Amino acid sequence: AQRVTQPEKLLSVFKGAPVELKCNYSYSGSPELFWYVQYSRQRLQLLLRHISRESIKGFTADLNKGETSFHLKKPFAQEEDSAMYYCALRGAGGTSYGKLTFGQGTILTVHP
Amino acid sequence: KAGVTQTPRYLIKTRGQQVTLSCSPISGHRSVSWYQQTPGQGLQFLFEYFSETQRNKGNFPGRFSGRQFSNSRSEMNVSTLELGDSALYLCASSLGGASGANVLTFGAGSRLTVL
Repeated sequence: AQRVTQPEKLLSVFKGAPVELKCNYSYSGSPELFWYVQYSRQRLQLLLRHISRESIKGFTADLNKGETSFHLKKPFAQEEDSAMYYCALRGAGGTSYGKLTFGQGTILTVHP
Repeated sequence: KAGVTQTPRYLIKTRGQQVTLSCSPISGHRSVSWYQQTPGQGLQFLFEYFSETQRNKGNFPGRFSGRQFSNSRSEMNVSTLELGDSALYLCASSLGGASGANVLTFGAGSRLTVL
């Protein structure tokens, strides 16, 4: 069975402070990991995925297979980063396609 | 290009009734996935359709069903509604391939309230 755990339901930081949203997963193979974000009154949208190894809006995430983690980090948080963040996993092997397993989400609030 | 369109956006039903939700994917996308979002359970996968065939299924009772048409538009149906079916139902479309480039794009959702 595959599982995604986001231990923090709420996370508050001040503008300019570093932020780290934690994500741990349980999966027997090599999954694909994603971070999705939902800003207030907007649709759920992809923020980044581990295979791209990219930085989006200053956020990065590294897949640590040893610790089965995919934490999302940003060195200097901005007020516009306030949103709900979901970590998601797709199973390997090419059969999961559109099936994602989501964590429960973390609400990030960045205070001025 | 137009995004994923879901209709209706809001609806209210009573227990025992049935409901049909519609999803129009991004042009060129052949896969449509459905998710249920609730405060208690979060985002849960319902099923996925590709080329009119159900390709994946989540752990939901048989009251939840879906289909996909030849133009890739999809519908999901919930019969014999229960109070616990109140949720935001999200549709996501994608190209449908097995590669990592197969990224899901979500619609705004249909919010169902069961009274």
